[in-house]
Amino acid sequence: EIVLTQSPGTLSLSPGERATLSCRASQSVSSNYLAWYQQKFGQAPRLLIYAVSNRATGIPDRFSGSGSGTDFTLTISRLEPEDFAVYYCQQYGSSLYTFGQGSKLEIK
Amino acid sequence: QVQLQESGPGLVKPSQTLSLTCTVSGGSISSGSYYWSWIRQPAGKGLEWIGRVYTSGSTNYNPSLKSRVTISIDTSKNQFSLRLNSVTAADTAVYYCARVYNVFLFFDWWGQGTLVTVSS
Repeated sequence: EIVLTQSPGTLSLSPGERATLSCRASQSVSSNYLAWYQQKFGQAPRLLIYAVSNRATGIPDRFSGSGSGTDFTLTISRLEPEDFAVYYCQQYGSSLYTFGQGSKLEIK
Repeated sequence: QVQLQESGPGLVKPSQTLSLTCTVSGGSISSGSYYWSWIRQPAGKGLEWIGRVYTSGSTNYNPSLKSRVTISIDTSKNQFSLRLNSVTAADTAVYYCARVYNVFLFFDWWGQGTLVTVSS
């Protein structure tokens, strides 16, 4: 099983600042199968990024993804008030989907 | 626009079976482009994939739950279902159904989630 470890656990920033969230895998992940989700309190997760760097439909271009192998990054270039939420990375490998434990982005 | 809606009992007794159904609207569950999946999230915790089903009825399960889980599909009703046997308090969670795009294997559409509590 591929374990995804996200860091930091909590990131405190102000609107307008840049956010960088990390996702590290215990084994190499296929670049086709690495995605990022945003979850707000009481809501289902929403797909942001798939295949490492492709934005899902309707996702603003301030969201970007990068990385390969075992290290992946989600960047939010200029934080808007609605971006403060929990972010999860997800991978598929060996017939199993796994998620990171989440990174909480909170208003400073 | 695709919509998914979970339904089923919100309270299940320990040792009994949890049963949920996901109704899909705005698209056909028979489309060969997707898998249909269940995911759960205990309160304040992260996401755990339970399993998936394809339109053919073929399934894959999380090894940690495989001995207790059955996922099935009913294309005539545009629904798929989850059964989890021998539940304990550790199975208390919000249960989501979701669609999986079968090329890049991401979850693109989710239900709103339904809270299932295991308690006597």
